[in-house]
Amino acid sequence: AQTVTQSQPEMSVQEAETVTLSCTYDTSENNYYLFWYKQPPSRQMILVIRQEAYKQQNATENRFSVNFQKAAKSFSLKISDSQLGDTAMYFCAFGYYNNNDMRFGAGTRLTVKP
Amino acid sequence: DAGVTQSPTHLIKTRGQQVTLRCSPKSGHDTVSWYQQALGQGPQFIFQYYEEEERQRGNFPDRFSGHQFPNYSSELNVNALLLGDSALYLCASSLGGGTSYEQYFGPGTRLTVT
Repeated sequence: AQTVTQSQPEMSVQEAETVTLSCTYDTSENNYYLFWYKQPPSRQMILVIRQEAYKQQNATENRFSVNFQKAAKSFSLKISDSQLGDTAMYFCAFGYYNNNDMRFGAGTRLTVKP
Repeated sequence: DAGVTQSPTHLIKTRGQQVTLRCSPKSGHDTVSWYQQALGQGPQFIFQYYEEEERQRGNFPDRFSGHQFPNYSSELNVNALLLGDSALYLCASSLGGGTSYEQYFGPGTRLTVT
């Protein structure tokens, strides 16, 4: 079974700076998706960015980008120009194509300081 | 456009009791997944419903059961509550199943078992 590991329980960054959150995963399959979800203090989980494993190009969404290293099974999230609203729990998640059992890491609590 | 809604927001039950949690999917979505998020952990997949049937189930005992109605809303039932069932229960909806489809999460129901 696939597992997802987030080795940074907590991180902080100054407003306007850049921060990188780490995620590693374990699978023997080739067809899968990787996700970063944001869970603000209000609790509603929001999809930040998604990466399809067969795509070599790293996904980007405005200030959010990923560094997907398939061979190393690494999927880090870079947040540029951090904003106070980025303060939240960030979860890395993994799912196989056409499989509904999405696996989440334990999360990284990010605090953006003014 | 209404997003995913869940009720109730909070719930306190006694060990051994039964509980029902409710979820209304985002407008236009036909698939509902349920997750359990224990304190300090990432969500864990319980099961997914599509066309009023349980399509896939995670590693949860039969005490956890569900239902999907013709309007795509869903219920999660937990029987014989244990202290360890205390958690945030998240509902997520999507159009279609499989992790290729973006899931939209509700705010969750916080269940406390005493």
